[in-house]
Amino acid sequence: GQNIDQPTEMTATEGAIVQINCTYQTSGFNGLFWYQQHAGEAPTFLSYNVLDGLEEKGRFSSFLSRSKGYSYLLLKELQMKDSASYLCAVNLNDYKLSFGAGTTVTVRA
Amino acid sequence: EAQVTQNPRYLITVTGKKLTVTCSQNMNHEYMSWYRQDPGLGLRQIYYSMNVEVTDKGDVPEGYKVSRKEKRNFPLILESPSPNQTSLYFCASSLYGTSGYNEQFFGPGTRLTVL
Repeated sequence: GQNIDQPTEMTATEGAIVQINCTYQTSGFNGLFWYQQHAGEAPTFLSYNVLDGLEEKGRFSSFLSRSKGYSYLLLKELQMKDSASYLCAVNLNDYKLSFGAGTTVTVRA
Repeated sequence: EAQVTQNPRYLITVTGKKLTVTCSQNMNHEYMSWYRQDPGLGLRQIYYSMNVEVTDKGDVPEGYKVSRKEKRNFPLILESPSPNQTSLYFCASSLYGTSGYNEQFFGPGTRLTVL
C-alpha cells in the first residue's frame, strides 16, 4: 500500500506562518499535489510539484524533495479564511492519485 | 460555467437497495474519477476512467460499479449497498489524467448513509 503522512491538526494565529509537512513512501511518483478543502466542500487545487525545489504562488508556497520523500506547504500571512483541511496527494502514475488523510488548520484571531 | 455536478447531494438508503450517483462535467474532460472520503482515511480512489468505454479500478473498488458511455457522464453504481459504504463521495475530472499540471476539478460531493 501507499504511505502518505501529514499531521492531523495544526493551529496558528492570524497573520502568522504555518508549515504543513507531508512525507511519502509510494509505489510510484509522478508529482505531488496540494489541495485545500473547506468543511463540507469539495477540494480545490493549490499547487503541484514535480521537480525538487520551491514553487511560490502568492501567500502559498510548496516545496518538494524527491530524494527524501518529503514536501511541505507554507501558508504565509494567515487569514481566517485559511481555516480548512489541506490534502497532500501523490500522483502515482498517469491516472492514480493517492491522498494523505489531510491536515486541519485552525486560524485563531 | 465550467463545473462538475453530482446528484443526489444527500441520500439515506437501506442495505441492499440499489442506487446510482450521477456525475457530469461540462469541460470536455477525458479523465473522470470517483473517490470516497472517510474521517482519518482521507480521499480514496474507487474507480477512474481515461476515456469513453475505458475504466479501471482504484484502491477501493469492491462493492461499486461504474460505466462511461458518454464523455460527460460517469455514474457510480452501488448494486447492494452496505453500511460500510456510508461515506462522502466525490467525483472529479481533468483534461487528460493526473499527470502534469492536470488539475482535478471536484464535484460538490454526495453524502451517502446506508442503514
